[in-house]
Amino acid sequence: QVQLVQSGAEVKKPGASVKVSCKASGYTFTSYGISWVRQAPGQGLEWMGWISAYNGNTNYAQKLQGRVTMTTDTSTSTAYMELRSLRSDDTAVYYCARSTQLYRAFDYWGQGTLVTVSS
Amino acid sequence: QSVLTQPPSVSEAPRQRVTISCSGSSSNIGNNAVNWYQQLPGKAPKLLIYYDDLLPSGVSDRFSGSKSGTSASLAISGLQSEDEADYYCAAWDDSLNGHVFGTGTKVTVL
Repeated sequence: QVQLVQSGAEVKKPGASVKVSCKASGYTFTSYGISWVRQAPGQGLEWMGWISAYNGNTNYAQKLQGRVTMTTDTSTSTAYMELRSLRSDDTAVYYCARSTQLYRAFDYWGQGTLVTVSS
Repeated sequence: QSVLTQPPSVSEAPRQRVTISCSGSSSNIGNNAVNWYQQLPGKAPKLLIYYDDLLPSGVSDRFSGSKSGTSASLAISGLQSEDEADYYCAAWDDSLNGHVFGTGTKVTVL
């Protein structure tokens, strides 16, 4: 069965960086892409960007351009999302989600990773 | 900031029907597929409807989706207590060159 298993919760100070992982199993990793979606406490969903596991092509949300980097390791079927220059409003649960292509629906989601930014 | 507008909450008695609206524009709903996600309390979102009105395997047929112009709707018939959740619409936005989500609607079963 398809599974996306994310790394554990993180606590970071303002200005630091965080890197969240998302290990995929149960399907051919390189046949899909991975989007990252975040949700601040009590708020809605925000799309952060997408990476193709096939060729590494990326598409980032305009708001996060320059602060976010998404990568994949096809040898371990793992996707990564790194966010730099963290601010308090980056505190959120970060989800990875699978899709066939950039424009398509997210059919499987990871369990979420809480990132807390606090001094 | 959410680009797609949904009512904050809807409520109805068990076994009744509720409809959730999602209003967008020509750059998102008007030109691209609408997807709906269900988020149970404390859980990750789950795909409920894709390509406007298609159900993924395993999703109850009590859920249905529709689209007209720049608006979309999700209907839940035969409401059950297990349907209490937050529901989000989503679509690709050609102007923003990214996915956009609705503001979210909390469904309460009275």
